Amino acid sequence: AQSVTQLDSQVPVFEEAPVELRCNYSSSVSVYLFWYVQYPNQGLQLLLKYLSGSTLVKGINGFEAEFNKSQTSFHLRKPSVHISDTAEYFCAVSEKTSYDKVIFGPGTSLSVIP
Amino acid sequence: SAVISQKPSRDICQRGTSLTIQCQVDSQVTMMFWYRQQPGQSLTLIATANQGSEATYESGFVIDKFPISRPNLTFSTLTVSNMSPEDSSIYLCSVTPDRGLYEQYFGPGTRLTVT
Repeated sequence: AQSVTQLDSQVPVFEEAPVELRCNYSSSVSVYLFWYVQYPNQGLQLLLKYLSGSTLVKGINGFEAEFNKSQTSFHLRKPSVHISDTAEYFCAVSEKTSYDKVIFGPGTSLSVIP
Repeated sequence: SAVISQKPSRDICQRGTSLTIQCQVDSQVTMMFWYRQQPGQSLTLIATANQGSEATYESGFVIDKFPISRPNLTFSTLTVSNMSPEDSSIYLCSVTPDRGLYEQYFGPGTRLTVT
């Protein structure tokens, strides 16, 4: 069975500083990987996804993530954060054989400090 | 992409009653899903709403508690039956407009409080 771990439940960071949100997954088969963002009182929005090919994936709002198969990780990064990036970030995984079923990690709350 | 609306956006209900949540999509989609997000927690898949057949429920969720309807390719409802305070959560509808893109689009959610 798949599982997703996000080691940091809360990440405070100063505005314009870089940030990395960590995600590790466990699966016995090949997977697709996703990062979603949830702004306060809103639904989830897809930031980026890894399906295949280049391990460095670029998404919206200046975010990027790198897939590392040997470490089963898919960490999210942004070189310079803004106040508007304050939100909850969810890493998610789905198996390539049953990709409609998406398993979400526990989430990381990013707080950008002015 | 897809634009999804949910009704109601929030509600406060009494223990023992039921609430039906509606999910409307602006285009026809094959796959629709219902998730629960308990306070301060991640999303848990409740079921896949299948058009023309019974919903497929995940482990820990049963039809008697969470009956789902999917009368067509743009609409679904989730009912939370015989509610208890433990059912207080955000309930989210999501869709996969194009299975080839492997992307899910989410509605804004319904915030339910059971007293």
